[in-house]
Amino acid sequence: EVRLVESGGVVVQRGGSLRLSCAASGFTFVDFAMHWVRQTPGKGLEWVALISWDGGVTFYADSVKGRFTVSRDQDDNSLSLQMNSLRPEDAALYYCVKDIGSSWYTFDSWGQGTLVTVSS
Amino acid sequence: QSALTQPASVSGSPGQSITISCTGTNSDVGGYNFVSWYQQHPDKVPKLLIYAVSKRPPGVSDRFSGSKSGNTASLTISGLQTEDEADYFCNSYTSTTTLVVFGGGTRLTVL
Repeated sequence: EVRLVESGGVVVQRGGSLRLSCAASGFTFVDFAMHWVRQTPGKGLEWVALISWDGGVTFYADSVKGRFTVSRDQDDNSLSLQMNSLRPEDAALYYCVKDIGSSWYTFDSWGQGTLVTVSS
Repeated sequence: QSALTQPASVSGSPGQSITISCTGTNSDVGGYNFVSWYQQHPDKVPKLLIYAVSKRPPGVSDRFSGSKSGNTASLTISGLQTEDEADYFCNSYTSTTTLVVFGGGTRLTVL
């Protein structure tokens, strides 16, 4: 069974930094691209970042480009999201998500999420 | 404002069929067959229902089906059940600078 467990969500001040982590298990981590997707009550779901199976390719949503960095540790089966220059609009529940494998645009397993709050 | 447009809410009675639309542009829904649909119950994580426009992952009921015409994708739920009451989101690949876009979500009420 696929298991994705996020951690690192806290209250952070505007302009601050935060690193989210995701521990993956139950599948061959090195075979799949991974994503971060966030959700807010008012804005629904928003895709944030993608990292390819080998870490060699990354993509970001326009809203976080230049501020967020996604990375993965193949030895540790973990995914990370370094978030800098945080803004109030970055406040959300952040999900670690596994790609289906046949494309980079379909999310077939989701963690429970970790909550990021940005205070102004 | 979400990149893909979904109705805010739809409703139906048990046993009926309903369809939820997801409208985009030639840069996303209309140009590629990378549309997916997700179901999210309150306080639960999203669940993949449909991918590549019309494919169902293992374990998803065949009451859920997907299709696409032009720039609009659709999710049809047949034989509505009370447990289908949830939020439904679509997403698509986009050739714009952002790789993936979501719809704003549709709240399904089973009356």
